[in-house]
Order: sequence, then structure tokens, then C-alpha cells
Amino acid sequence: QVQLQESGPGLVKPSQTLSLTCTVSGGSISSGGYYWSWIRQHPGKGLEWIGYISYSGSTYYNPSLKSRVTISVDTSKNQFSLKLSSVTAADTAVYYCARETHGSGTGSAFDIWGQGTMVTVSS
Amino acid sequence: DIQMTQSPSSLSASVGDRVTITCRASQSIRSYLNWYQQKPGKAPKLLIYGASSLQSGVPSRFSGSGSGTDFTLTISSLQPEDFATYYCQQSYSTRTFGQGIKVEIQ
Repeated sequence: QVQLQESGPGLVKPSQTLSLTCTVSGGSISSGGYYWSWIRQHPGKGLEWIGYISYSGSTYYNPSLKSRVTISVDTSKNQFSLKLSSVTAADTAVYYCARETHGSGTGSAFDIWGQGTMVTVSS
Repeated sequence: DIQMTQSPSSLSASVGDRVTITCRASQSIRSYLNWYQQKPGKAPKLLIYGASSLQSGVPSRFSGSGSGTDFTLTISSLQPEDFATYYCQQSYSTRTFGQGIKVEIQ
């Protein structure tokens, strides 16, 4: 079955760019009907959606982060990536990649998640 | 953004109890509401999508209902493995989650 795995540095310095990659296995990222998302969770807090990308490259970002976020896709590697610029301590969180599946008349839902990766912003 | 508010603020229950968690949206989201379960150190797990559809592999003691702005997640008979934090999430517009409700052992 489809699995997702995040990878990237666990420590990023303030003002730098956080970069993470999500590798999709067990299925093709180019399959229709899915969006590929990033979601984060601050320590001990709730969940915050960052944005998504389709296999064709169309994106939709959370307005609260839009100015600093770029999500891209590499279909040849079956991966999608997150870049978050100008990070501060407030960006310290567990970052999850997730597959968002569209239903028929039921909206969409995050049905497959990566295990998450902790990213700390500190000098 | 659409705000999602869950209640109660905390919940203590015993094995075998019937548990109900409520989620209210700040505007109508039709039935575009999902429920997730998260255990410590783990990624969230989809339980219910489209307000009332049970995700494959999820036990039938979980059920969801509602439409518009008011939704509920019900666990008909709480099991030891159900002690976790539960989140609602809307997919009507920019995705947002509720603040989460931790179901603890009484």
C-alpha cells in the first residue's frame, strides 16, 4: 500500500530556509484524484495545514504562510517537497506529509500520513 | 478562515462508556468534515470522512454525524486503545482543524 516518508534536516538556523522532502512508495504520485500536502504540529499543540500540490504542479497554500511557502513535485522521483523561508523559533514543529484524497460529494480527507519529522529552529 | 471548535474541553471516560465529541464550524461546511485520532508520538489516523463515512479498517464503534455547522463523533463503547486525542477537520475551504480533544481514562 501507499506509504509516505519525510526526510530533511532536523535543525535549521533562524532566518534560513527549512527544506523537507516526502517520498511516496507503493504507488505513483502521478495518480489522479489526490493532493499531496504538508501539515505541521507545534509541540504539544494542534494541527496546522501548510499547503498542497497536485501531480500536475498546481498548488494551494495556507494564507497565513503563503508568503514563505513553496511546495514542489518531482514525479520522476515520486517525491514532493516543502520549502519554508525566513524561519523563526515559531516554526519549530513536527512536519507531516500526507495524501489528501477527494471523495464524491464528501469533500476530501488526509487518508495517508508520513510518520512525521521534528524540525527545530535554533542557532 | 473557517474556525473549528471542539467540545468538551476535556473528557474523562471509562472502558465501555459511550463517548460523544462535538465539532462546530464558524460557517456552513456542508458535510465536508473529517475526524482523526492521534496517539502520542504518532501521526493522525483518519477515522471518519464526509461527516459520516467510516474509513476502511476503522472499527464500527466509531460513527459520525452532522452537516452544516454542527457535527459529532461517537464511540459507542470505549475500548482501551481508544484513549487518544481526536481532531475534526474541514475540507470546505482552506483546511483547518479543531483544537483537539484528549480522551483520558477516568
